[in-house]
Amino acid sequence: NAGVMQNPRHLVRRRGQEARLRCSPMKGHSHVYWYRQLPEEGLKFMVYLQKENIIDESGMPKERFSAEFPKEGPSILRIQQVVRGDSAAYFCASSPGRVEAFFGQGTRLTVV
Amino acid sequence: KNEVEQSPQNLTAQEGEFITINCSYSVGISALHWLQQHPGGGIVSLFMLSSGKKKHGRLIATINIQEKHSSLHITASHPRDSAVYICAVRMNRDDKIIFGKGTRLHILP
Repeated sequence: NAGVMQNPRHLVRRRGQEARLRCSPMKGHSHVYWYRQLPEEGLKFMVYLQKENIIDESGMPKERFSAEFPKEGPSILRIQQVVRGDSAAYFCASSPGRVEAFFGQGTRLTVV
Repeated sequence: KNEVEQSPQNLTAQEGEFITINCSYSVGISALHWLQQHPGGGIVSLFMLSSGKKKHGRLIATINIQEKHSSLHITASHPRDSAVYICAVRMNRDDKIIFGKGTRLHILP
């Protein structure tokens, strides 16, 4: 059973481009969480999804950011029209429910 | 005040020393995680606790639910233990996970 897989590990985008970050949860896990870690700061919750549903997106910026977790395939965190302030490490975690969460290795986004 | 507080923020110790990192929280929780983040960024889940004590190799984690406090201990510390150690709690009220700011540990050879 592979762990939580995130790709790409590193992503470079120019200002104004779109960034798509993927998270494949562990097999059998239907809960996905996305977190952001800004440089020199702690991890912050962004969004909590179950298959085909956004449960809690209270940590998501109101504009340009969206997330989905379709019935088939990975969860996607999408950032439109990226700006320099979006440069951060983005982590996802998955769990089968209200139990232990397993973390991915993260995607480091750099906006140039 | 943060809902999850860790201490110390930074810790430098000599190889072989016994290390303790503390985590206090102020909310009702269903579980507490200890995570390790190495330079380069990947996060490894070390422990998930809801009560008592767990041990894995040289690592020991304890939690006192009444006192809302957990400790992570490292015995016979080694330079490869150098990393940021993060305490995270899953809150009862909404199932979200919130994080402490981390403890940066540096073990000198």
